[in-house]
Amino acid sequence: DAKTTQPPSMDCAEGRAANLPCNHSTISGNEYVYWYRQIHSQGPQYIIHGLKNNETNEMASLIITEDRKSSTLILPHATLRDTAVYYCIVRVDLAGANNLFFGTGTRLTVIP
Amino acid sequence: KAGVTQTPRYLIKTRGQQVTLSCSPISGHRSVSWYQQTPGQGLQFLFEYFSETQRNKGNFPGRFSGRQFSNSRSEMNVSTLELGDSALYLCASSSRLTGTYEQYFGPGTRLTVT
Repeated sequence: DAKTTQPPSMDCAEGRAANLPCNHSTISGNEYVYWYRQIHSQGPQYIIHGLKNNETNEMASLIITEDRKSSTLILPHATLRDTAVYYCIVRVDLAGANNLFFGTGTRLTVIP
Repeated sequence: KAGVTQTPRYLIKTRGQQVTLSCSPISGHRSVSWYQQTPGQGLQFLFEYFSETQRNKGNFPGRFSGRQFSNSRSEMNVSTLELGDSALYLCASSSRLTGTYEQYFGPGTRLTVT
């Protein structure tokens, strides 16, 4: 699985959009980009994933650059409950390979 | 639909003892993965079970083992506990083994070894 690089921490004002970047310059054509978050002392929570196209769900939007070497997770209207560590994971979805490699992630702090 | 449940939520054990942790996946999910989270090493994959068979294993010593039952519930066992085994142990379930899938995590079992 390709390596990812994320800033260690970010702040965001409550109600504003939070834009979390992820660099995955060595991504290969069959690797997906997944985002999870972990609120303090809880299990990680799946947010969104994508391959090439931008994706949106009720939680967030995922923007993947055309060359797929980087992506941005967007939380459109951050709330205090979005304070968490956000993990960007790049992986191939293979049969029998249901394991995730978490890096250090980005600690997002939403400020009132 | 009920989420992933893990029991117990907290556990204190002494060095040298063994421990068994339990995980019940989301109904209909047949894949269960286990992870260890420590402040120093972060989240690390332990192993994954699907249809009662271990499909993947992370880089952990043989003291760490697991199994899965026919109802997809899974247990993880750690024998001869060491102080460094103190961690949050998380299990995650997913519905498919192939294709894209997301994993749903339980709240974890916090193990303290004294």
